[in-house]
Amino acid sequence: EAGVAQSPRYKIIEKRQSVAFWCNPISGHATLYWYQQILGQGPKLLIQFQNNGVVDDSQLPKDRFSAERLKGVDSTLKIQPAKLEDSAVYLCASSYRGPSYEQYFGPGTRLTVT
Amino acid sequence: QKEVEQNSGPLSVPEGAIASLNCTYSDRGSQSFFWYRQYSGKSPELIMSIYSNGDKEDGRFTAQLNKASQYVSLLIRDSQPSDSATYLCAVNRSYDYKLSFGAGTTVTVRA
Repeated sequence: EAGVAQSPRYKIIEKRQSVAFWCNPISGHATLYWYQQILGQGPKLLIQFQNNGVVDDSQLPKDRFSAERLKGVDSTLKIQPAKLEDSAVYLCASSYRGPSYEQYFGPGTRLTVT
Repeated sequence: QKEVEQNSGPLSVPEGAIASLNCTYSDRGSQSFFWYRQYSGKSPELIMSIYSNGDKEDGRFTAQLNKASQYVSLLIRDSQPSDSATYLCAVNRSYDYKLSFGAGTTVTVRA
């Protein structure tokens, strides 16, 4: 079974630029999550989708971050404009159903904002 | 009080020994518990899930859950250098069903 796919793996941008990340979950997984992980910390949930609907985006900085999951499969996370504090690893995860179930992470995108 | 607290590391164990990692959580209603392994520069990898009180064994890994004490642990038997990584404890919160992660415990297995 193929795992969660993410791209790009690395991205370096200047502050105030925009960036987009892509995620393809495990086939058949209805729930998709985007996490932000800062070095030395555990992942922090940004947004959760159930199929193509948003379940929770309470931790998403909506003035600069946006995410969508069209057709209930692939998802994109965008940052516009980026700030220095956005430098982190952005992880996509998926689970068969909701968060009570096991979540599987993709390889992540390491973002550096200069 | 943090939602999920783990041993402050790093934890150094000799090859072949048992590594013991502890995790406490604050939400008494939590029902799902997970251990992830994260190698440096890599993403978290699920290694154990546990939902009921008691022990669950998978190869050299044993997860132990005590809901009354709000405590979950991970034992790594016959530790190998390849077990050197950061181990993240994750707990599913009962009030919003989000997964809450600890900061992780870094384990180093010395040959």
